[in-house]
Amino acid sequence: GAGVSQSPRYKVAKRGQDVALRCDPISGHVSLFWYQQALGQGPEFLTYFQNEAQLDKSGLPSDRFFAERPEGSVSTLKIQRTQQEDSAVYLCASSLAPSDSNQPQHFGDGTRLSIL
Amino acid sequence: GENVEQHPSTLSVQEGDSAVIKCTYSDSASNYFPWYKQELGKRPQLIIDIRSNVGEKKDQRIAVTLNKTAKHFSLHITETQPEDSAVYFCAASPTGGFKTIFGAGTRLFVKA
Repeated sequence: GAGVSQSPRYKVAKRGQDVALRCDPISGHVSLFWYQQALGQGPEFLTYFQNEAQLDKSGLPSDRFFAERPEGSVSTLKIQRTQQEDSAVYLCASSLAPSDSNQPQHFGDGTRLSIL
Repeated sequence: GENVEQHPSTLSVQEGDSAVIKCTYSDSASNYFPWYKQELGKRPQLIIDIRSNVGEKKDQRIAVTLNKTAKHFSLHITETQPEDSAVYFCAASPTGGFKTIFGAGTRLFVKA
């Protein structure tokens, strides 16, 4: 496809369940970012991949959050033992060049996660 | 820590008026400053960006200015239209390594 694709668009889970969110970046894009966006707030950085290497995971809120991009394209964000405070929209963005190359990020539509 | 402050949080203007949104950033290493527009339930979309070697950039009704000394940048929308109504986010990159830090957003209402 032409843009960043995320699935599922909506996810409802019970507290304590594990969830996995998928991101298909634009083909050939080197950089991939995950963000968490709470209602009425700006996107908050979670983690950054350059190809398959996770170069920055300083924004992950706890060790329940794990992200991977094993082949340098598709990425998965996994949240274990979900809590109510994990409810948010999770946005994925990709960029053609490495993060320090000042290239714009292209966002997906996000996954809206609701924890009951 | 690194942060980006954005003001105002809400802005209401009459159609045809100008709108100005201001941001300040803390990390002097940041050298790329994009602005995104996000409509309700949709993805953020880049509307304009500026790099640190440029003081001003314009694209039709939208302009951005950057003052690196003051760590301050602003978005200017002229001749506003109802379809400009959305939430606008400023951002600074890279910050603290590889991060992009976003402001909290400005909800712009353009009244017809």
